[in-house]
Amino acid sequence: AQTVTQSQPEMSVQEAETVTLSCTYDTSESDYYLFWYKQPPSRQMILVIRQEAYKQQNATENRFSVNFQKAAKSFSLKISDSQLGDAAMYFCAPNAGGTSYGKLTFGQGTILTVHP
Amino acid sequence: NAGVTQTPKFRILKIGQSMTLQCTQDMNHNYMYWYRQDPGMGLKLIYYSVGAGITDKGEVPNGYNVSRSTTEDFPLRLELAAPSQTSVYFCASKGGSGAYEQYFGPGTRLTVT
Repeated sequence: AQTVTQSQPEMSVQEAETVTLSCTYDTSESDYYLFWYKQPPSRQMILVIRQEAYKQQNATENRFSVNFQKAAKSFSLKISDSQLGDAAMYFCAPNAGGTSYGKLTFGQGTILTVHP
Repeated sequence: NAGVTQTPKFRILKIGQSMTLQCTQDMNHNYMYWYRQDPGMGLKLIYYSVGAGITDKGEVPNGYNVSRSTTEDFPLRLELAAPSQTSVYFCASKGGSGAYEQYFGPGTRLTVT
């Protein structure tokens, strides 16, 4: 079974600044995938970024990027040029490959506040 | 495409009542999932399905049942509702294994009193 730890219950950032959300996980799988989801107050779950564990290059999606350290089992999310619309709860969610059938294990979440 | 739809959006149940949460997706996805989210917490997997007629338990299946008679629909049944089942319930679907993302419905907020 996978475990996921998001050690920052809350984070805050000034608009236009950069913030990093941390995530560590534990898995015995060698083939897996990692996701960051965002949940704004509307409670809709929205995919932010994904990373395949077999890829050495860190994923990037516009202002969002990850720092994936496979040996350390660390998967942090960096948000650059923060915007008010980035305020939300963020969840790290690994997905073991193989016969896991795409099941996600979610961390406890980090609430991000963006100050104007 | 409507994506993943869930009904109802809100529901209040009395202890011991039963109900079915509906979930439908129009993306022809084989994989479907039910999660629950307790206040201030992450989502936990209740049940999942990899195709019509195939379902399996997730992390927290007690008190729930599912069926998958079609690719589109994946209803979640609550029997004998208990206060511990007060939560927000999310249905999700996924097009395949691997790096495909899960698409989530808008959620159902259930209160059991």
